[in-house]
Amino acid sequence: AQSVSQHNHHVILSEAASLELGCNYSYGGTVNLFWYVQYPGQHLQLLLKYFSGDPLVKGIKGFEAEFIKSKFSFNLRKPSVQWSDTAEYFCAVIRMDSSYKLIFGSGTRLLVRP
Amino acid sequence: GAVVSQHPSRVICKSGTSVKIECRSLDFQATTMFWYRQFPKQSLMLMATSNEGSKATYEQGVEKDKFLINHASLTLSTLTVTSAHPEDSSFYICSAQTGYGYTFGSGTRLTVV
Repeated sequence: AQSVSQHNHHVILSEAASLELGCNYSYGGTVNLFWYVQYPGQHLQLLLKYFSGDPLVKGIKGFEAEFIKSKFSFNLRKPSVQWSDTAEYFCAVIRMDSSYKLIFGSGTRLLVRP
Repeated sequence: GAVVSQHPSRVICKSGTSVKIECRSLDFQATTMFWYRQFPKQSLMLMATSNEGSKATYEQGVEKDKFLINHASLTLSTLTVTSAHPEDSSFYICSAQTGYGYTFGSGTRLTVV
């Protein structure tokens, strides 16, 4: 069965620190990859996505992610976090075969201290 | 564009009653919608895939007779939690597939008392 793993469940950073959140998936075929953010009390919003092409993807609010096919990874990064980045971050994967279902990782709760 | 409206945002119901949650695509046609359930401090778990004009496809372990899904038009999918029990209390989220990926509703917090 396909799975999406986010190894960091809770991350606490100070403002201006760099961020990297890990995401690994277990499916060997073609995938589309996403990072979503859920701010407190709000619904899910798309940060960035990878379909094909340049494996380094830039998203909104200064976030980027790199798809490394050999490592089955799609880690999220931001060079300098802000207090407003406090949220929960979800990695998600779609298998580009018959399923086309969006499968989520368990999420990483990020707290940025001012 | 690609907005999904989910209603209600919160609902409290008594055990044994049924609750209907609506998910509407406002500015596009959604042939496929997805229903997720999110437990506190956990990820979104896919419950079922809703296809316009056909039966929904349920994930393993999801009771199709308890969670009735109807996708009668290209802009509306509904999830009805039948004979609700306290363990059905959760956050339910719908999602629609768009040309740009997936867009999500704002969710419905169901509390069964």
